[in-house]
Amino acid sequence: DGGITQSPKYLFRKEGQNVTLSCEQNLNHDAMYWYRQDPGQGLRLIYYSQIVNDFQKGDIAEGYSVSREKKESFPLTVTSAQKNPTAFYLCASSALEGQAPVQYFGPGTRLTVT
Amino acid sequence: RKEVEQDPGPFNVPEGATVAFNCTYSNSASQSFFWYRQDCRKEPKLLMSVYSSGNEDGRFTAQLNRASQYISLLIRDSKLSDSATYLCVVDTGRRALTFGSGTRLQVQP
Repeated sequence: DGGITQSPKYLFRKEGQNVTLSCEQNLNHDAMYWYRQDPGQGLRLIYYSQIVNDFQKGDIAEGYSVSREKKESFPLTVTSAQKNPTAFYLCASSALEGQAPVQYFGPGTRLTVT
Repeated sequence: RKEVEQDPGPFNVPEGATVAFNCTYSNSASQSFFWYRQDCRKEPKLLMSVYSSGNEDGRFTAQLNRASQYISLLIRDSKLSDSATYLCVVDTGRRALTFGSGTRLQVQP
């Protein structure tokens, strides 16, 4: 079964700790993305990567870091510099289908920092 | 001005009703358009792409009006299972897709 996996589903951390969220895809997609969603809000782009070993900042990259060492994997680290890290984090990947860059999402990780 | 704007709702409709959502986008260079569905505390899932000539998928019809820069989603014969948040999504060709904040639909028995 092809898809995107994110782990863990729920994550609890103390303030001041860095935490890494996992995202793996076996869809053979080149592009991968990280979004953050807050209650009642839309998705905001954190980072994206269109090719291995290359990634770009999105709209809210401060306090986050990523790596893209393998095509299948795009982990996100939430650092202690992120002021409001509690949120629902969604990873996505995309490939061209016809002419449209449809994005497919993983099930998400709910991070709670106290 | 937001790049993609939607009425947040909620739209409360009885089962069997027809309901329509609109969404406006600001970038006239936008190239591709989609509707995604997001259930409570779940990830967004593609509902349908939106084509220039309009397209239909069962009870769902999507329309694009490039001149006025809006897209619409029409749901006929609403089911309880249609209750969700519907996200309007636009590709401006720059980088990632741009998501609206969503319109919440609640179908009531």
